Amino acid sequence: AQKVTQAQTEISVVEKEDVTLDCVYETRDTTYYLFWYKQPPSGELVFLIRRNSFDEQNEISGRYSWNFQKSTSSFNFTITASQVVDSAVYFCALSSGEGGANSKLTFGKGITLSVRP
Amino acid sequence: NAGVTQTPKFQVLKTGQSMTLQCAQDMNHEYMSWYRQDPGMGLRLIHYSVGAGITDQGEVPNGYNVSRSTTEDFPLRLLSAAPSQTSVYFCASSYGQTNSPLHFGNGTRLTVT
Repeated sequence: AQKVTQAQTEISVVEKEDVTLDCVYETRDTTYYLFWYKQPPSGELVFLIRRNSFDEQNEISGRYSWNFQKSTSSFNFTITASQVVDSAVYFCALSSGEGGANSKLTFGKGITLSVRP
Repeated sequence: NAGVTQTPKFQVLKTGQSMTLQCAQDMNHEYMSWYRQDPGMGLRLIHYSVGAGITDQGEVPNGYNVSRSTTEDFPLRLLSAAPSQTSVYFCASSYGQTNSPLHFGNGTRLTVT
């Protein structure tokens, strides 16, 4: 069985603070994919990043960065100098297996981030 | 390019009524899926399809039916609506099944009274 745990349910920060959203996953497969999605208050779900299990390089995209550590089964997401527009629910997701018909995509329960001006 | 289109955006049903949530995508994606989103529960998979004519159950399939007669369309049918089905429903598609990023529709907010 696979599982994604987002232990933080709600985070509130003041604009320009840095914030890290935690994601811990469990899977027995050696090949798997990790994702982050953003759901702003308008409700749509937006893909942010995908990382496969063989690529442990950290990723930086503007103010966003992702830290993938297989040793701790974590795929954490950091927003640097947060802005009000970053206020959203953020979901971490795990797909294990080779992506075939029997693979499953499991979402965490999401973290609600509020950035106050 | 419309992406994934869901209709309707809002729906209110009485207990026992049936209805179909429509989902269409114009990206020629083979993989399509339906999720429901409930407070504190994240996104849970209802049904999915890996291609036309092929469907399978997800985590919470009871009370829902799907079919996939074309690559483009993946409707979700509620057979006899129950208050427990009050939720926000998202349709999603992707190019390469679950190892590819999902493209989501804008959601349908369903209330069953």
